[in-house]
Amino acid sequence: SQTIHQWPATLVQPVGSPLSLECTVEGTSNPNLYWYRQAAGRGLQLLFYSVGIGQISSEVPQNLSASRPQDRQFILSSKKLLLSDSGFYLCAWSPPGGVYGYTFGSGTRLTVV
Amino acid sequence: AQSVTQPDIHITVSEGASLELRCNYSYGATPYLFWYVQSPGQGLQLLLKYFSGDTLVQGIKGFEAEFKRSQSSFNLRKPSVHWSDAAEYFCAVGARNSASKIIFGSGTRLSIRP
Repeated sequence: SQTIHQWPATLVQPVGSPLSLECTVEGTSNPNLYWYRQAAGRGLQLLFYSVGIGQISSEVPQNLSASRPQDRQFILSSKKLLLSDSGFYLCAWSPPGGVYGYTFGSGTRLTVV
Repeated sequence: AQSVTQPDIHITVSEGASLELRCNYSYGATPYLFWYVQSPGQGLQLLLKYFSGDTLVQGIKGFEAEFKRSQSSFNLRKPSVHWSDAAEYFCAVGARNSASKIIFGSGTRLSIRP
């Protein structure tokens, strides 16, 4: 069966520090991969999605970037964190075609101080 | 482009009472529709989905939803809620010809009164 792993679960980082969040999927190949952010008390904002290795689409211009170095690995990065980057980050995957629904990871709670 | 609206930010119901969470979507054709649930500090879990066919779909945990094309709605229902149903619920819509993006509503927080 397919599983999705996301880490770390929680992270406290100072303003101006770099960020790297990792997400991996097991048990499937060529998945579509997604990064969402959920600010406190708000809905989900799609940040990036990828339909293949090296293929990244950005939904919202911001301080973050994403990369997909391997088929089942999706990384969210920042060179210098801002206070406004705080939030709950969720990785998700779906089969190619994607509209069958996403499977989400357990999330990373990022607090920028 | 598709969009989804959940008009209720927060709902409180008594344990054992029935529940209906509202969801309205905007899309030019028949969309794919989803309901997800999120417990505090956790990821999202798929409750149910509608692609085609029977407009009343059954999901996990005793939930069901009905697709009403004339009202552009996909409301979530449960006949009798349990304290463990307290969570955030998200409706989502996907376009059939999209690059696989699903758009989420802003969520409805459900509280259960003992």
